[in-house]
Amino acid sequence: NAGVTQTPKFQVLKTGQSMTLQCAQDMNHNSMYWYRQDPGMGLRLIYYSASEGTTDKGEVPNGYNVSRLNKREFSLRLESAAPSQTSVYFCASSEVPRGQRGGYTFGSGTRLTVV
Amino acid sequence: RKEVEQDPGPFNVPEGATVAFNCTYSNSASQSFFWYRQDCRKEPKLLMSVYSSGNEDGRFTAQLNRASQYISLLIRDSKLSDSATYLCVVNRPNSGYALNFGKGTSLLVTP
Repeated sequence: NAGVTQTPKFQVLKTGQSMTLQCAQDMNHNSMYWYRQDPGMGLRLIYYSASEGTTDKGEVPNGYNVSRLNKREFSLRLESAAPSQTSVYFCASSEVPRGQRGGYTFGSGTRLTVV
Repeated sequence: RKEVEQDPGPFNVPEGATVAFNCTYSNSASQSFFWYRQDCRKEPKLLMSVYSSGNEDGRFTAQLNRASQYISLLIRDSKLSDSATYLCVVNRPNSGYALNFGKGTSLLVTP
């Protein structure tokens, strides 16, 4: 089925370990996003890529890096994981519509625990 | 002031009831507005866009008041399957169409 695919679905890391969360979309969308969701905090934007070749910081970029590998793929890297990065991570994509009436399509999320 | 504010609830309503959720946003330059639905431990899914003139999709009606920076969602004839968290969402101007999400309002529809 068309959509946004995230891998892995679950991960447990030790403090200080690094990992990359993968995201790919097959809808030919221009823009891609990484959010984290924590209890009581709602979804917070980490990084986004408005189009292939560009990336920008969101609200909570510290401790993360991103790569827009091509139009389909947008990865999120934790260089040195900390317990504060325990969260559910969602990747999303969108067209940048002229009328700005479109929404996002989300992946199913990665549940990350840092111990 | 938070970018998007919602009453977290929970709203507990019986089947068949009408329930309304409200939301306020802080950036008057925002141009795109949505309601998303999120089921427990699932990803958010687009419920409906919100247009200036108000719009309806079956049992769901959304309204936007730009002057007051206020968005609402009305659910009529609630079903058990409507139980979820409803997220009010507003675009972030000048940010490549990034969206700001409210923390959500929890709805539980009971038999």
